[in-house]
Amino acid sequence: SQQGEEDPQALSIQEGENATMNCSYKTSINNLQWYRQNSGRGLVHLILIRSNEREKHSGRLRVTLDTSKKSSSLLITASRAADTASYFCATDDSMEYGNKLVFGAGTILRVKS
Amino acid sequence: DAGVIQSPRHEVTEMGQEVTLRCKPISGHNSLFWYRQTMMRGLELLIYFNNNVPIDDSGMPEDRFSAKMPNASFSTLKIQPSEPRDSAVYFCASTPGQGGGTEAFFGQGTRLTVV
Repeated sequence: SQQGEEDPQALSIQEGENATMNCSYKTSINNLQWYRQNSGRGLVHLILIRSNEREKHSGRLRVTLDTSKKSSSLLITASRAADTASYFCATDDSMEYGNKLVFGAGTILRVKS
Repeated sequence: DAGVIQSPRHEVTEMGQEVTLRCKPISGHNSLFWYRQTMMRGLELLIYFNNNVPIDDSGMPEDRFSAKMPNASFSTLKIQPSEPRDSAVYFCASTPGQGGGTEAFFGQGTRLTVV
């Protein structure tokens, strides 16, 4: 079952513009992670934000988390053509024996040069 | 480390045949996950192991699917008998620690086509 739901499903922007993707989830979490997937490849971890954090930055990435609304957003600033990929949020339904990562449906980002 | 290694990268098989997918996690990682990705259903968690023990297999679709982790460096996902609706990309991922909060490292996936 999928925990996170991203929107939009697809996003097309011009190089240099900012891209914002949103993720909503249903149950309480320990942390939320964002991943990127290039076509035909495995997922690559981008950033993790814990439930007691509200915002986190990594290079051109900015992630926010609002646990009261059960939502998160990923902002990519000054986008590049190389950012074209699918982006997924994953919630950590941590259990006693390790983290259980459940992924959303993803947002397909296309950056036009 | 070479990362999570999956084999084969591509598999084409006929309906009814047995299919075995293989995964070698990153050395030292304690948790291993099997996911299935399709256009219709997205990325589904099938099963995950912690310290070689299956913790949650609630995502395994049917009894035709089984997974094992005989040791810390090897896991298999078997489908017997295979059906066309099993066609998908199957990913294996591993994480370094138990207790939550660590990033998952994914293999390149196995693209399975059942004809």
